[in-house]
Amino acid sequence: GAGVSQSPRYKVAKRGQDVALRCDPISGHVSLFWYQQALGQGPEFLTYFQNEAQLDKSGLPSDRFFAERPEGSVSTLKIQRTQQEDSAVYLCASSLAPQMGNTIYFGEGSWLTVV
Amino acid sequence: ILNVEQSPQSLHVQEGDSTNFTCSFPSSNFYALHWYRWETAKSPEALFVMTLNGDEKKKGRISATLNTKEGYSYLYIKGSQPEDSATYLCAPGQDNDMRFGAGTRLTVKP
Repeated sequence: GAGVSQSPRYKVAKRGQDVALRCDPISGHVSLFWYQQALGQGPEFLTYFQNEAQLDKSGLPSDRFFAERPEGSVSTLKIQRTQQEDSAVYLCASSLAPQMGNTIYFGEGSWLTVV
Repeated sequence: ILNVEQSPQSLHVQEGDSTNFTCSFPSSNFYALHWYRWETAKSPEALFVMTLNGDEKKKGRISATLNTKEGYSYLYIKGSQPEDSATYLCAPGQDNDMRFGAGTRLTVKP
């Protein structure tokens, strides 16, 4: 497709379950971001990739969160042993070279609810 | 790690008020700065990309300025409307690093 694609769009997980959220960036885009937005709160940066290199993971809230982009294209955000506070929308974004002024394109998000 | 600060964190204004908020970032090796508007349950919407010191951009009632020497950008909204309520994110790019600020959450009361 032409845009950033995220799956699943909606996920309900039982507390303690592991989840994996997938992001398919626009083909050829070097930069990839993950963001988290909990209900009623502002967006929180999670992590940033340039190709397969994870340049910044300072926003990952705990060691239960793990992101990878092994071949520099598709990225997966994994959350282990989910907790209720993990319930949020997880947004993925990609860009060719945002630091050079190229537009950053966002997916529609994966809505995670932990019950 | 690129340190980006946005202020204020949140802002409540009345319909018709004009408002502005700030994005601060390290000024060295600056490349570009992005402003995005993010409404709950929607994907962020690109507002501006700014690259040159002194740049001013305008889109309707929203405008932005950029000062790369001192490391800040201002976003202005003239005559705020309830539909302007959203989180406004900035993202400066520096060398090979880029990240979004935490955003300014604007609420416009009718």
